[in-house]
Amino acid sequence: GNSVTQMEGPVTLSEEAFLTINCTYTATGYPSLFWYVQYPGEGLQLLLKATKADDKGSNKGFEATYRKETTSFHLEKGSVQVSDSAVYFCALRKANTGNQFYFGTGTSLTVIP
Amino acid sequence: DAGVIQSPRHEVTEMGQEVTLRCKPISGHNSLFWYRQTMMRGLELLIYFNNNVPIDDSGMPEDRFSAKMPNASFSTLKIQPSEPRDSAVYFCATAGQGGVETQYFGPGTRLLVL
Repeated sequence: GNSVTQMEGPVTLSEEAFLTINCTYTATGYPSLFWYVQYPGEGLQLLLKATKADDKGSNKGFEATYRKETTSFHLEKGSVQVSDSAVYFCALRKANTGNQFYFGTGTSLTVIP
Repeated sequence: DAGVIQSPRHEVTEMGQEVTLRCKPISGHNSLFWYRQTMMRGLELLIYFNNNVPIDDSGMPEDRFSAKMPNASFSTLKIQPSEPRDSAVYFCATAGQGGVETQYFGPGTRLLVL
């Protein structure tokens, strides 16, 4: 079946540290991959996406590269800020399933000054 | 665009009462999803509509839960009777068609059943 596995948190980093949140997926065919972010008290927001192998999604200094050979879509940021503190969700949308998404369990990130 | 609109934003009720959560999708979006989020279970898909038709309701926990989408601009999630374990944040999300469409989430309804 389709599933997403992401690293468990919580993750605590100092400001300006490098961030990696791992995400691997299981799917047949060629899914599209997404990272969503949820700030405290809010709904999920799209952070970035990639639709095919070797695509790199980027937004707000965050990047993730669609790696088909390792079935991964790891989220990275070179220098985190306190305002990046949130929960990050990896998700996939398999082709031909309409718009159904499969979400990971979420990784909580806290950035301390 | 106003985005996905959910109401109420907060609901406190007593066990046994009926609870109705409402969602207005983004205009033109024809896929609608109801999710439940708790600390213990994370984000769970409850039900998914496409063109107002329920496509997958396998995530609906039990018969106490029901969802409807009478038209393209409105959906409800009803819990009757409610129980304390239903306490959670309920999100509605919608998506359009054509290519790879992103799901857009509403702000959620925070439900507390006493």
